[in-house]
Amino acid sequence: AQSVTQLGSHVSVSEGALVLLRCNYSSSVPPYLFWYVQYPNQGLQLLLKYTTGATLVKGINGFEAEFKKSETSFHLTKPSAHMSDAAEYFCAVSLPPMNYGGSQGNLIFGKGTKLSVKP
Amino acid sequence: DSGVTQTPKHLITATGQRVTLRCSPRSGDLSVYWYQQSLDQGLQFLIQYYNGEERAKGNILERFSAQQFPDLHSELNLSSLELGDSALYFCASSVDGTGDRTGELFFGEGSRLTVL
Repeated sequence: AQSVTQLGSHVSVSEGALVLLRCNYSSSVPPYLFWYVQYPNQGLQLLLKYTTGATLVKGINGFEAEFKKSETSFHLTKPSAHMSDAAEYFCAVSLPPMNYGGSQGNLIFGKGTKLSVKP
Repeated sequence: DSGVTQTPKHLITATGQRVTLRCSPRSGDLSVYWYQQSLDQGLQFLIQYYNGEERAKGNILERFSAQQFPDLHSELNLSSLELGDSALYFCASSVDGTGDRTGELFFGEGSRLTVL
């Protein structure tokens, strides 16, 4: 079974400061990993994903995440926070296509981390 | 715009009633997923359909059912509604097969259900 743990339900940073949102996963096989962002009253939008290959993944809006197998982590970072980054961020895990069995690609989400950015 | 369309955006109903939520996936996507988002449970996977057939089931109550039609749109039926069913219900669709977008889910803006 797969699971995702996001450390910290609420993170607050100052504008221009480093953003670090933590995600740890559990999976019986090498997983696909995702970060999604949800702005108020909107659906979820993909920020970035890791499938295979390079472990440092760059996404939209200056975000990046590093897959660390030894630590089972996929933390999301951004060097300099902007007011527009205030949103809720979700880490998610899924099985890669070759491992699809009964479940065919549904994402298992963490509880989410709400990011606040102070001026 | 993700290309996934959900209706209605808001729905208010009473306990014991039945509602139907509708989802149109992105053009060409064969898989449709339903998720429930609530404050206490977070984002919970309910059910997935692939080209009209049920593919995976998550934490979906027996009072809830879904189907995917030949034109690939999907409906989620919620019956005997309880106060605790108040939540945001998301539909998502995905690209199938191999390729750069494999594994990505594209989400609609959700249907907010309030049960009074």
